[in-house]
Amino acid sequence: GDSVTQMEGPVTLSEEAFLTINCTYTATGYPSLFWYVQYPGEGLQLLLKATKADDKGSNKGFEATYRKETTSFHLEKGSVQVSDSAVYFCALIPNTNAGKSTFGDGTTLTVKP
Amino acid sequence: EAGVTQFPSHSVIEKGQTVTLRCDPISGHDNLYWYRRVMGKEIKFLLHFVKESKQDESGMPNNRFLAERTGGTYSTLKVQPAELEDSGVYFCASSQLRAPNSPLHFGNGTRLTVT
Repeated sequence: GDSVTQMEGPVTLSEEAFLTINCTYTATGYPSLFWYVQYPGEGLQLLLKATKADDKGSNKGFEATYRKETTSFHLEKGSVQVSDSAVYFCALIPNTNAGKSTFGDGTTLTVKP
Repeated sequence: EAGVTQFPSHSVIEKGQTVTLRCDPISGHDNLYWYRRVMGKEIKFLLHFVKESKQDESGMPNNRFLAERTGGTYSTLKVQPAELEDSGVYFCASSQLRAPNSPLHFGNGTRLTVT
């Protein structure tokens, strides 16, 4: 079945550091890929998405590129802020079942001033 | 527009008791999903409604869990009787029916603790 593997956390960085959170997936066909973020006390919200190979999703300074050859969708940000502290989830939706997402374990990011 | 709302935000019950969680999706969203995150692990799919019909309930762990969506609006998820391993955060999400591969809109979740 489909699966998503995320880099294990927690991750602790200093403000303005470079962030990478690795995500690889296993799925048949061409899934859509997503990064969701959960800030403390809140629900998950969409951070960015990519629906086909080589697409780059971007939002709030975060980027991720859909790499079919490596089945990856790594999340990056050039300079993190304290307000980026949250739990980040990589997810996929298979092209055969709209909405039934498969999620990774989540990676907790803490950014220190 | 109002987002997905879930109630209660927290629930602490004893093993053997019953708990009912409620989810109000975004108005006009025919797709409604229940997910669960246990012990800080991955968020797992429980089931999917399209309007009032159960489209996929393959993720429901056992028959102690009952989900309903009467009238195709809000949904409830009942756990009866609750067991210790049911503790976790239960998320509800919704999306538009005619938007395949559209992202999910999540509620804040209900944190369930079974003691």
